[in-house]
Amino acid sequence: DAGITQSPRYKITETGRQVTLMCHQTWSHSYMFWYRQDLGHGLRLIYYSAAADITDKGEVPDGYVVSRSKTENFPLTLESATRSQTSVYFCASRQPGTNTEAFFGQGTRLTVV
Amino acid sequence: TQLLEQSPQFLSIQEGENLTVYCNSSSVFSSLQWYRQEPGEGPVLLVTVVTGGEVKKLKRLTFQFGDARKDSSLHITAAQPGDTGLYLCAGDNNNNDMRFGAGTRLTVKP
Repeated sequence: DAGITQSPRYKITETGRQVTLMCHQTWSHSYMFWYRQDLGHGLRLIYYSAAADITDKGEVPDGYVVSRSKTENFPLTLESATRSQTSVYFCASRQPGTNTEAFFGQGTRLTVV
Repeated sequence: TQLLEQSPQFLSIQEGENLTVYCNSSSVFSSLQWYRQEPGEGPVLLVTVVTGGEVKKLKRLTFQFGDARKDSSLHITAAQPGDTGLYLCAGDNNNNDMRFGAGTRLTVKP
């Protein structure tokens, strides 16, 4: 199916564990983004990517790692999860240009205990 | 401090009332976008405003881009319960790194 999909939808992990959130899009959009959404903060940009093998930090990158070996995939890894990383994570993609529409996945709700 | 400041943060109104929400920044944007998000879903684009002073209408929703391209407003006429949701504005920080405001959470009561 065409679109952007995130997996898993829900994840519970323990403090200190490594966890990877997956994002896959079928449109071949060059730009991809990872956001976290917390009450009162809206969507905060963690990392973004302009193309395969090109990634840049956003507002809140500490504690996260990304890679983009293929255009369609943009995994987000929490190397050593902390409770402050409990959040809902959204992946998005779009074509280049500041006017283009961003398409979002359904989100991953991550709880770190 | 967020690049885009939205107000109010929460708004609860009765069906049929009008409302306006705001998105303000000290930065100039080439364009601003408004998204709407429903519980359990990702945001969905409502509109993109590009030209300073531009007004766009989408049924009962009216969007305006400030003359200086630093702010935008969303006006809803005769709100309906189906308008309930989180309204987010977004802009690019010159590097295609799309940033969002904290959002306005709207509740329209029947």
